[in-house]
Amino acid sequence: EDQVTQSPEALRLQEGESSSLNCSYTVSGLRGLFWYRQDPGKGPEFLFTLYSAGEEKEKERLKATLTKKESFLHITAPKPEDSATYLCAVPSNAGGTSYGKLTFGQGTILTVHP
Amino acid sequence: NAGVTQTPKFQVLKTGQSMTLQCAQDMNHEYMSWYRQDPGMGLRLIHYSVGAGITDQGEVPNGYNVSRSTTEDFPLRLLSAAPSQTSVYFCASSYSVQEMNTEAFFGQGTRLTVV
Repeated sequence: EDQVTQSPEALRLQEGESSSLNCSYTVSGLRGLFWYRQDPGKGPEFLFTLYSAGEEKEKERLKATLTKKESFLHITAPKPEDSATYLCAVPSNAGGTSYGKLTFGQGTILTVHP
Repeated sequence: NAGVTQTPKFQVLKTGQSMTLQCAQDMNHEYMSWYRQDPGMGLRLIHYSVGAGITDQGEVPNGYNVSRSTTEDFPLRLLSAAPSQTSVYFCASSYSVQEMNTEAFFGQGTRLTVV
């Protein structure tokens, strides 16, 4: 059974204090790992896709990395506007096809204080 | 560029009532899906579709029906609403490239309360 576990559940940082969020996954035949940002009352917004171990993607203060068992979302010198819930997801293999369906972690609520 | 559009944004139902949550995408994506999001539970897959006329169940399908008669639309029907179906519902669409999944695009959500 596909599983995605995110840690920590919540993270409070001071502005400028760098840190990392973790996403551990168990899936047979990974066909992509996705990071999303979700603001209150909004739908998830796509950040990154990673397809193979060793791959890295960057966008502004965010960098996502992938190993065979986990992914990290590194946040460098965060600002208050980075406060959001960060979600990790993998395509679900249940039912024989992985297309069009995702298994999500429970998310990490990030709060950045000025 | 509209992307994925969900209607309504908010809805209150009485127990036993039925309703349809609408979802439309204008990106010609093959795949569409419905999720529900509950506190502490994350996003869970209800139903999904890999193309017009093809649907299948996800993790939590009971009490919901779907159909996909066109590429663009994927409505979710609540047959007889129950308080346990109080949740925020998200519709998503995506496609594949060379047998790899691409990112899913999400609508803004429908917040449903069943009393």
